[in-house]
Amino acid sequence: DTAVSQTPKYLVTQMGNDKSIKCEQNLGHDTMYWYKQDSKKFLKIMFSYNNKELIINETVPNRFSPKSPDKAHLNLHINSLELGDSAVYFCASSRGMNTGELFFGEGSRLTVL
Amino acid sequence: EDKVVQSPLSLVVHEGDTVTLNCSYEVTNFRSLLWYKQEKKAPTFLFMLTSSGIEKKSGRLSSILDKKELSSILNITATQTGDSAIYLCAVDNLSNTGKLIFGQGTTLQVKP
Repeated sequence: DTAVSQTPKYLVTQMGNDKSIKCEQNLGHDTMYWYKQDSKKFLKIMFSYNNKELIINETVPNRFSPKSPDKAHLNLHINSLELGDSAVYFCASSRGMNTGELFFGEGSRLTVL
Repeated sequence: EDKVVQSPLSLVVHEGDTVTLNCSYEVTNFRSLLWYKQEKKAPTFLFMLTSSGIEKKSGRLSSILDKKELSSILNITATQTGDSAIYLCAVDNLSNTGKLIFGQGTTLQVKP
């Protein structure tokens, strides 16, 4: 069983479209995250949620809207996609906000044409 | 602004070589430093370091933290082709938000 699973793994879409990425963790963790990895491999946090509540929104444009229906799920919806949104988006989870170790999903590679 | 810098950015070695990867950080507050290995997909956890001078070891990999020098090293002895990956260093800056600040990674290629 995959601990943190995200779908889809690949997304190719046109500028201006809207897309969603889903994430689920079966580890019983309280905290979930979205990280963005750019072409230079920098992993940068976008959002963190703890028990369904938003903790961090790291100056991410309003076009990105996370939703956490329960603590095992954190989905990411992106409106009006731009070329610069092309990246790999990683979902991750941790036991709590101060535990350090993150468990990552396999990533969703988004290509905006 | 808090930041984490890794060096070298990339490294090519042959099987059997020993490598040392470096990570230095500038953060206003420090809780821990973590190392991850990223092969094709998800980064996977290697070590978490909180105290200076205490080596953490797992097989051929080891790591140590130097809080005075604000740095850490990751050593890999007797490298194998399966060690080829991006090695990521990250710091927890006591934000109590779960946020980790990542370096840009070191890409290691081990040739047979």
